[in-house]
Amino acid sequence: KAGVTQTPRYLIKTRGQQVTLSCSPISGHRSVSWYQQTPGQGLQFLFEYFSETQRNKGNFPGRFSGRQFSNSRSEMNVSTLELGDSALYLCASSVDRVQETQYFGPGTRLLVL
Amino acid sequence: AQSVTQPDIHITVSEGASLELRCNYSYGATPYLFWYVQSPGQGLQLLLKYFSGDTLVQGIKGFEAEFKRSQSSFNLRKPSVHWSDAAEYFCAVGSNDYKLSFGAGTTVTVRA
Repeated sequence: KAGVTQTPRYLIKTRGQQVTLSCSPISGHRSVSWYQQTPGQGLQFLFEYFSETQRNKGNFPGRFSGRQFSNSRSEMNVSTLELGDSALYLCASSVDRVQETQYFGPGTRLLVL
Repeated sequence: AQSVTQPDIHITVSEGASLELRCNYSYGATPYLFWYVQSPGQGLQLLLKYFSGDTLVQGIKGFEAEFKRSQSSFNLRKPSVHWSDAAEYFCAVGSNDYKLSFGAGTTVTVRA
């Protein structure tokens, strides 16, 4: 079974631009979560989607948004990029319940100049 | 709110020696606990998890962890470390609101 895939793997943007990252979960997984990883803040939860509904959101500004499609694929968008948005963005998928293991993709590394 | 503390930022261990990584959590209900490993430039790979039952959990790559409710700990151990175990290790607690809270991570260096 294929793992979680994320595209693109690397991205360079400039301040003020916007970016969209994509995540395809493991087949049969309906829950998709997003995390931001930075050297200073570590791994922080962004949001979680299930059946196209956001069930939980982390403590990030409104510039960070996401959505999930009917095929469980998910996208996250960051508008008006800031230097501090440079990070590794990780997507994880699971079947559904809280007890289910989250399986992570390789991440998208975003550099904001 | 849940939280995880990994007291050791960096650990250096000789190849063949034993390894123990510490993890303390704070969570009001029954915790769902995980250990993940991350190699440079990679995503997170699950080593093992604890939901309930036997407090000693076996994982992949020869790792095990022990859940101690009285100490709010979930320490990771490996009896004999291989050079390929050099990586960053994250302890995480899962909550009923569908998110994982991670510790800051412990970087493991393996010397020959």
